[in-house]
Amino acid sequence: DGGITQSPKYLFRKEGQNVTLSCEQNLNHDAMYWYRQDPGQGLRLIYYSQIVNDFQKGDIAEGYSVSREKKESFPLTVTSAQKNPTAFYLCASSGDYANTGELFFGEGSRLTVL
Amino acid sequence: EDQVTQSPEALRLQEGESSSLNCSYTVSGLRGLFWYRQDPGKGPEFLFTLYSAGEEKEKERLKATLTKKESFLHITAPKPEDSATYLCAVRSGGSYIPTFGRGTSLIVHP
Repeated sequence: DGGITQSPKYLFRKEGQNVTLSCEQNLNHDAMYWYRQDPGQGLRLIYYSQIVNDFQKGDIAEGYSVSREKKESFPLTVTSAQKNPTAFYLCASSGDYANTGELFFGEGSRLTVL
Repeated sequence: EDQVTQSPEALRLQEGESSSLNCSYTVSGLRGLFWYRQDPGKGPEFLFTLYSAGEEKEKERLKATLTKKESFLHITAPKPEDSATYLCAVRSGGSYIPTFGRGTSLIVHP
């Protein structure tokens, strides 16, 4: 079945460590996104990529980094510079972002800093 | 800057008790208003896209409507399995990236 796979589902990090969240899609979508979700808040955009080898900062990019070397993959690294990384992270993709804007989401990764 | 406000933050209904969720928005040239459903610990699931005032879309017990300033998600005779957080998002002419509201948490009691 086509979809978006995020891993791991749960991740624990010690302070000062970098961690990488995986996001893979087999929908053949050009655009991919990373959002952060905190309790009581909406989805906040971290980074997005509209095409391979290109990506843009979202509203809260500080302390995060991404790469887009392949169309199907868009990993997110949470660096030690991110001061409050405990959150639920969601990856999404869009096949026709210029016209429809409909996003397809993965199941999410929950990161906890110990 | 696009803004989306959802109300109420939380809603508790009895099974069969119909109600509506509200999504008020401010955008420069609406290019789509989206409704998503999110179950606890899961990613959001797309429900509807509305593009112009007066447009309506239905799916089972859900009906979404759109005016120039807000959208409503009407839930008719809800069941416990309709319990979820419902997210609204808008996309404006200046950006391809949707802006999300904080969501409405719906609980339907049997």
